[in-house]
Amino acid sequence: EVQLLQSGGDVVQPGGSLRLSCAASGFNFNDYAMTWVRQAPGEGLEWVSSISHDSEKTYYADSVKGRFSVSRDNSKNTTYLQMSSLGVDDAAIYYCAKRHTNNVAVPGNFFDSWGQGALVTVSS
Amino acid sequence: DIQMTQSPSSLSASIGDRVTFSCRASQGIYNYLAWYQQKPGQIPKLLIYAASTLHSGVPSRFRGSGSGTDFSLTISSLQPEDFATYFCQKYDTVPWTFGQGTKLEI
Repeated sequence: EVQLLQSGGDVVQPGGSLRLSCAASGFNFNDYAMTWVRQAPGEGLEWVSSISHDSEKTYYADSVKGRFSVSRDNSKNTTYLQMSSLGVDDAAIYYCAKRHTNNVAVPGNFFDSWGQGALVTVSS
Repeated sequence: DIQMTQSPSSLSASIGDRVTFSCRASQGIYNYLAWYQQKPGQIPKLLIYAASTLHSGVPSRFRGSGSGTDFSLTISSLQPEDFATYFCQKYDTVPWTFGQGTKLEI
């Protein structure tokens, strides 16, 4: 069974930093791209960042580019989202999600498994 | 960037009803369209990908259709557990944008 266990959510002051973690089990983590999606309270889903299975490629939404950094440690089956210069607009539940396929020749990126979410609150 | 627009934003229906939601892309995305269901306080759940392919374990009352710019999700006979918010997502190229969602209410 695929499991994505998230940690790191917290209350942070505006301008502060935070690192989220997502520990995976139940599948060959090394083979799958991973993604972060966020959801502000009462709002929709917003794609934030993705990282390829081998860390060679990273992608960011314009709203977080230059402030957030995605990484992964395949030896620990864990992906991370390092967030800095946080503002009130970054307050949300952050989900990690697993790409639907490990086949890099197949285009596209949608998500068949999701973590439980980590709440990030930005407040002074 | 391609924008994804869902309509309506909310919809009221009854058990047994047939309902259809719309998702429109600002440019063609072939069939690179997924649908997710999210119930209050829960994580999103994949329903459909490639515009019309049901994900494993999803009941057959869910049906997706469309290609290019216009897509729809139909639930043929609403069950109590179907009341939720539904999101579409384009997944052809970066950014992998979601629609704003359609909330299905009793």
